[in-house]
Amino acid sequence: GEDVEQSLFLSVREGDSSVINCTYTDSSSTYLYWYKQEPGAGLQLLTYIFSNMDMKQDQRLTVLLNKKDKHLSLRIADTQTGDSAIYFCAESEGSASKIIFGSGTRLSIRP
Amino acid sequence: GAVVSQHPSRVICKSGTSVKIECRSLDFQATTMFWYRQFPKKSLMLMATSNEGSKATYEQGVEKDKFLINHASLTLSTLTVTSAHPEDSSFYICSALLVGEETQYFGPGTRLLVL
Repeated sequence: GEDVEQSLFLSVREGDSSVINCTYTDSSSTYLYWYKQEPGAGLQLLTYIFSNMDMKQDQRLTVLLNKKDKHLSLRIADTQTGDSAIYFCAESEGSASKIIFGSGTRLSIRP
Repeated sequence: GAVVSQHPSRVICKSGTSVKIECRSLDFQATTMFWYRQFPKKSLMLMATSNEGSKATYEQGVEKDKFLINHASLTLSTLTVTSAHPEDSSFYICSALLVGEETQYFGPGTRLLVL
């Protein structure tokens, strides 16, 4: 069945890079997403990558995809306190298809 | 940009009452909207897919008679939690599909507390 897994917690020092990892099982995944959720708020789409790509960069964010291993990562450069949130990895088979979410990684920033 | 709103943002109700949650796409038309549920410190689980002008498609294990979905227009979908019980307390989030941009935009969520 479809499953998306990610570690629950990550703590990094302010200014360092954060790397959040995710694995998925659905080989039919076409879209792979990273969402950010701040406390008490909804989801903000950070970025997404098509399954035929292996990297996408957008300012401080870099997404790496290893399709063979079904491994996705999100790197946040120069992590700031405002990056504290829960980050959800997610996948879908198509834009109109349901999105399967991971459990979320809670990123905390220490001074 | 594409904006999706939800109303109310939070609601407290007594057990046995029904609660309606609205999801609106403010600046685009959405033929498809999705309803998700998020338990505390857990991930989002898809409840149902709402299609304008037709019946919603429910995920396995979701009671369609308990969670009524109506998608009467291209900008509005409603989720009604009927005869709510404390176990229905949760964070309900909707998303709307922006056709052509191939992405779902999420609403801010509605926190439901059933006493």
